[in-house]
Amino acid sequence: AQSVSQHNHHVILSEAASLELGCNYSYGGTVNLFWYVQYPGQHLQLLLKYFSGDPLVKGIKGFEAEFIKSKFSFNLRKPSVQWSDTAEYFCAVNARSSGSARQLTFGSGTQLTVLP
Amino acid sequence: DTEVTQTPKHLVMGMTNKKSLKCEQHMGHRAMYWYKQKAKKPPELMFVYSYEKLSINESVPSRFSPECPNSSLLNLHLHALQPEDSALYLCASSFRDRDTGELFFGEGSRLTVL
Repeated sequence: AQSVSQHNHHVILSEAASLELGCNYSYGGTVNLFWYVQYPGQHLQLLLKYFSGDPLVKGIKGFEAEFIKSKFSFNLRKPSVQWSDTAEYFCAVNARSSGSARQLTFGSGTQLTVLP
Repeated sequence: DTEVTQTPKHLVMGMTNKKSLKCEQHMGHRAMYWYKQKAKKPPELMFVYSYEKLSINESVPSRFSPECPNSSLLNLHLHALQPEDSALYLCASSFRDRDTGELFFGEGSRLTVL
């Protein structure tokens, strides 16, 4: 079974600072990788996703993530954060398999607080 | 805006009540999911339906009863819940036969059990 680790539980940054949130997964096969964001009191929204191809993927709101297969990592980055980026960020992994419905495994989440 | 619609958005119920959460999607997805999310925690998978058949039940107590009447609808029937069942219940759907793995989430139903 796959598992996902997010080592940063709470990150506090000032506006305009750069952001990098770590995500590592454990699964020996091929995976689909996602970052979701949940703003206070709101639902999960997809930030970006990786299926195959270019390991550097760009998402909404200036976020990007890099898939490094050798490190089993999919870190989220943003060059300059804004106060409105304050939210909970979840990394998720979905192992590819045939003949079965998808199971998305979430990391424990990282709370990002951006100070104005 | 999400294409997965959940109702009601908020529900307050007593421990002896019977209520239902509803989820609807019209994207042609053939897999549908129920997740439970407590505050500041990741969503936890409860049930998966694939082609209207229950394919995964993550050892959920029987006081939660899922139902998939057709490919667009997913219900979660609630009976004799406990206060610790208070949480955000998320519905999601995905393509069954395309290798994308992406789940589309609804906005959730926030349940409070008194």
